[in-house]
Amino acid sequence: AQSVTQLGSHVSVSEGALVLLRCNYSSSVPPYLFWYVQYPNQGLQLLLKYTSAATLVKGINGFEAEFKKSETSFHLTKPSAHMSDAAEYFCAVSGAAGNKLTFGGGTRVLVKP
Amino acid sequence: DVKVTQSSRYLVKRTGEKVFLECVQDMDHENMFWYRQDPGLGLRLIYFSYDVKMKEKGDIPEGYSVSREKKERFSLILESASTNQTSMYLCASRNRVGRQETQYFGPGTRLLVL
Repeated sequence: AQSVTQLGSHVSVSEGALVLLRCNYSSSVPPYLFWYVQYPNQGLQLLLKYTSAATLVKGINGFEAEFKKSETSFHLTKPSAHMSDAAEYFCAVSGAAGNKLTFGGGTRVLVKP
Repeated sequence: DVKVTQSSRYLVKRTGEKVFLECVQDMDHENMFWYRQDPGLGLRLIYFSYDVKMKEKGDIPEGYSVSREKKERFSLILESASTNQTSMYLCASRNRVGRQETQYFGPGTRLLVL
């Protein structure tokens, strides 16, 4: 079985501060990992994905994530939050379960001026 | 750019009605998916299709069926809508089978069942 846990359903950050969103996964095979963002009233958009080429993955809008096998984690970071980063973020794993994506519960980010 | 469109952004239906949600993708993708999104639960897979006329159950197929008569179109059917099917429904497509392949999402249909 594969699963994803996102710690914190809501995160509040000040504009210009570090954004850190936590994601832990379980998978019986080497995983592929994804971060998606959902802006209000929109579908999901891919931020970045890990496909075993490099453990530090850079995505769009200044986001990056680091794959740590020993910690079974794939945390998402951005050095300096912008008001436009206010959205919901989903971590997902593609493991052994027949090419299906399994999503975490999501983390909603609020950016304060 | 990949474009995935869904026929309605908002729908209001009554209990017992048959509901059709339509999804169309314009990139000749082989695989298509239907998810529902509920607060705190993330996205859960209802059904997916690897190719035309093929379908596979996802994690929560009960109360739903699907149809894929053409490659670009994947329909989700609620045979007899119930209030617990009130949710956001998201369609996605993917170029081909492969765990590393990206899924592309439509804007979603928010369904309210009264």
